[in-house]
Amino acid sequence: NAGVTQTPKFQVLKTGQSMTLQCAQDMNHNSMYWYRQDPGMGLRLIYYSASEGTTDKGEVPNGYNVSRLNKREFSLRLESAAPSQTSVYFCASSEAGGGDTQYFGPGTRLTVL
Amino acid sequence: GENVGLHLPTLSVQEGDNSIINCAYSNSASDYFIWYKQESGKGPQFIIDIRSNMDKRQGQRVTVLLNKTVKHLSLQIAATQPGDSAVYFCARGQNFVFGPGTRLSVLP
Repeated sequence: NAGVTQTPKFQVLKTGQSMTLQCAQDMNHNSMYWYRQDPGMGLRLIYYSASEGTTDKGEVPNGYNVSRLNKREFSLRLESAAPSQTSVYFCASSEAGGGDTQYFGPGTRLTVL
Repeated sequence: GENVGLHLPTLSVQEGDNSIINCAYSNSASDYFIWYKQESGKGPQFIIDIRSNMDKRQGQRVTVLLNKTVKHLSLQIAATQPGDSAVYFCARGQNFVFGPGTRLSVLP
């Protein structure tokens, strides 16, 4: 079991470029999440998917889009990157939705110049 | 809005001593809390959880206490080891709210 995997591990973008962060889980979990973590701060929820075929906005969704490709995969897209999106991005999954333990990936460190 | 926060941003303890990390919450409807540990360069890892029908839950070297009267929970780590050095987050299970974390440093 690999758990939750994320690619890439590191990425540098120029302002205005686009990219997609990939996330996959092999635990047969129903729910998946994307968070960002800025220095000295906790995790903030960007988007989540309670089940395959559904997505919902979290606390900080502006500038991002997501796709729940199938039960295993949940991608996060930045259409036009901005320096304010420089952060570490974590994907997580849980068996069910709210009220269930989340399992996190190793993170993607993104720098936007 | 929901607040889940920690009392201290940093905590330093001597190796072998017990550590206590505190967390306060604002929503009295909260009924499920989780403690996570995040080591440098890694994602958060589950440590222990507790539901509101419990006051205390014990794991291996860790204990979580929940005081619903004052909306406070704490994580106690017994015989703190260098490997316990990390940032610890409390989180409310229902709506994915994380506090800013407490950085635990273990001194030799």
